[in-house]
Amino acid sequence: KNQVEQSPQSLIILEGKNCTLQCNYTVSPFSNLRWYKQDTGRGPVSLTIMTFSENTKSNGRYTATLDADTKQSSLHITASQLSDSASYICVVSASAGGGNKLTFGTGTQLKVEL
Amino acid sequence: DSGVTQTPKHLITATGQRVTLRCSPRSGDLSVYWYQQSLDQGLQFLIHYYNGEERAKGNILERFSAQQFPDLHSELNLSSLELGDSALYFCASSGGQGWTEAFFGQGTRLTVV
Repeated sequence: KNQVEQSPQSLIILEGKNCTLQCNYTVSPFSNLRWYKQDTGRGPVSLTIMTFSENTKSNGRYTATLDADTKQSSLHITASQLSDSASYICVVSASAGGGNKLTFGTGTQLKVEL
Repeated sequence: DSGVTQTPKHLITATGQRVTLRCSPRSGDLSVYWYQQSLDQGLQFLIHYYNGEERAKGNILERFSAQQFPDLHSELNLSSLELGDSALYFCASSGGQGWTEAFFGQGTRLTVV
């Protein structure tokens, strides 16, 4: 069964600090992994996508890593800002005939405080 | 703007009623996914359509049904509504085989009273 697990479930940090969110998956056959940011009451927005051959990808203050051997990914946020407060969702895509199949993690709720 | 359009944005209805949520995918996207997100919960996969055909079912109740039309828009029908059906319902679209990205609409907030 394809599963995506994220940790921690929630996290509170002070503005300006760094943090790392984790994603472990058991999805096969693996196609790609994407991190989404979801503001409260809004649709998720893609931050970064990683394919099998990519280890690290950055998008501004967001850096995602992927270890395809251990089936783990992390999202590192540097110099956090209040606007980073949101839910961060890891989504893994499996190759499937006629369309990709997405498995969603339940997300990490991040709160950045002054 | 993701290019995925969901209507209506908000919906308030009484228990026992039936509603239809609509999703227009991004131009050219063949896959449509429906998700339910209850308060403080993660996204729960409901159903996936690809080019008009049902591809996968998640935890979708028998009171719920969906379809994808020839023009690729999709509708999610919720019937015999209960208070617990109050949630945000998201639609996402992506391309066909080999596509690597899914784009989300802004959601429909359903409140059952």
